[in-house]
Amino acid sequence: SQELEQSPQSLIVQEGKNLTINCTSSKTLYGLYWYKQKYGEGLIFLMMLQKGGEEKSHEKITAKLDEKKQQSSLHITASQPSHAGIYLCGADISSGNTGKLIFGQGTTLQVKP
Amino acid sequence: EAGVAQSPRYKIIEKRQSVAFWCNPISGHATLYWYQQILGQGPKLLIQFQNNGVVDDSQLPKDRFSAERLKGVDSTLKIQPAKLEDSAVYLCASSPRPLAEDYQETQYFGPGTRLLVL
Repeated sequence: SQELEQSPQSLIVQEGKNLTINCTSSKTLYGLYWYKQKYGEGLIFLMMLQKGGEEKSHEKITAKLDEKKQQSSLHITASQPSHAGIYLCGADISSGNTGKLIFGQGTTLQVKP
Repeated sequence: EAGVAQSPRYKIIEKRQSVAFWCNPISGHATLYWYQQILGQGPKLLIQFQNNGVVDDSQLPKDRFSAERLKGVDSTLKIQPAKLEDSAVYLCASSPRPLAEDYQETQYFGPGTRLLVL
């Protein structure tokens, strides 16, 4: 089983709709990263969360890390076709900031115009 | 600021052949990572360098994979001999500062090299 579970695995939404992607672990997330990947390309950094209860926003994307630091959500408001892609959460689950990230399996988002 | 550069972007080889990938991290970045991403999965860390030393290579299949980071800048990852299951995207990432206990460092990824082993 995955140490980092993402849900849903895929998502199709109509343009303008809101959506949420979740990332869950049974272990403490010492650093939680959200990346976006387009097919055939590398990972684009979106946001990093470290503290329990932390929330960050950039344009129409908001990421939160729960108080227990075991779950994170990524919320997109008023989705646009440019939001389409694969969203990956990555985390350092070793205390001491090892830099060794594990990743979820990804959530594929399609936005219908 | 230029991003992480990787080459080649695509490579097709037959099983048992050898292949090498090259990575040029963001200028001045101390830490460099190689990941393997199999289709439909998230990236998996293979090896981690800090400057020109290996920090962690516990998930690198050392019977066939090798990597080096000469002079603490560019890095190469080699597979010899390749197997069918090595078909994947190989991603290189770098982060600015050396690893330390009191802060997290964002990893910046290159475009990857897509390898197909026939």
